[in-house]
Amino acid sequence: RKEVEQDPGPFNVPEGATVAFNCTYSNSASQSFFWYRQDCRKEPKLLMSVYSSGNEDGRFTAQLNRASQYISLLIRDSKLSDSATYLCVVNAVMDTGRRALTFGSGTRLQVQP
Amino acid sequence: ETGVTQTPRHLVMGMTNKKSLKCEQHLGHNAMYWYKQSAKKPLELMFVYSLEERVENNSVPSRFSPECPNSSHLFLHLHTLQPEDSALYLCASSHNRVSGANVLTFGAGSRLTVL
Repeated sequence: RKEVEQDPGPFNVPEGATVAFNCTYSNSASQSFFWYRQDCRKEPKLLMSVYSSGNEDGRFTAQLNRASQYISLLIRDSKLSDSATYLCVVNAVMDTGRRALTFGSGTRLQVQP
Repeated sequence: ETGVTQTPRHLVMGMTNKKSLKCEQHLGHNAMYWYKQSAKKPLELMFVYSLEERVENNSVPSRFSPECPNSSHLFLHLHTLQPEDSALYLCASSHNRVSGANVLTFGAGSRLTVL
């Protein structure tokens, strides 16, 4: 089983649609969670951190379910500029005591006019 | 300059060449990373320098050799690479916090093609 698993997509949605991505992680010791966004041929950039209580930033809502070990990202009122690959990232403390960031393969979103 | 800067942005090399990738950060971070990104695969952590300690992914071949002369500069020395090493190499930096999240800031990447 992959440490961080995402549906690769692509998700093709019309402008204005609501779209949700899920991500599951295997390490129950994971402590921190993030969504990064990567545009085509660009570097990943932090979109938002994911907190236990859930958090919202404008049209974006992130939620964490520790019991089921999954994270979600909801995008409302999709814009053409939201087209990108969304990377789920999990920060876990390993047996060695070191923390390691593990990335999912990403979910590609294409918003169409 | 601000942020994380990587050079060169594109590199084509033969299997017998020796080259180096350079990364510089101006964010006051104390941890720097090399990641490899291949098509349709997750980012793979290659090396971390954090508080002057080096941590590496044991699966990285010895033909990749990192160097971190100070907290602002990071190099990846490349020697006798294979065509399957062709990928986007991303440098990143962060604060190294004992607890809490380490948010990464990435450079634009060096796209490497090995012929």
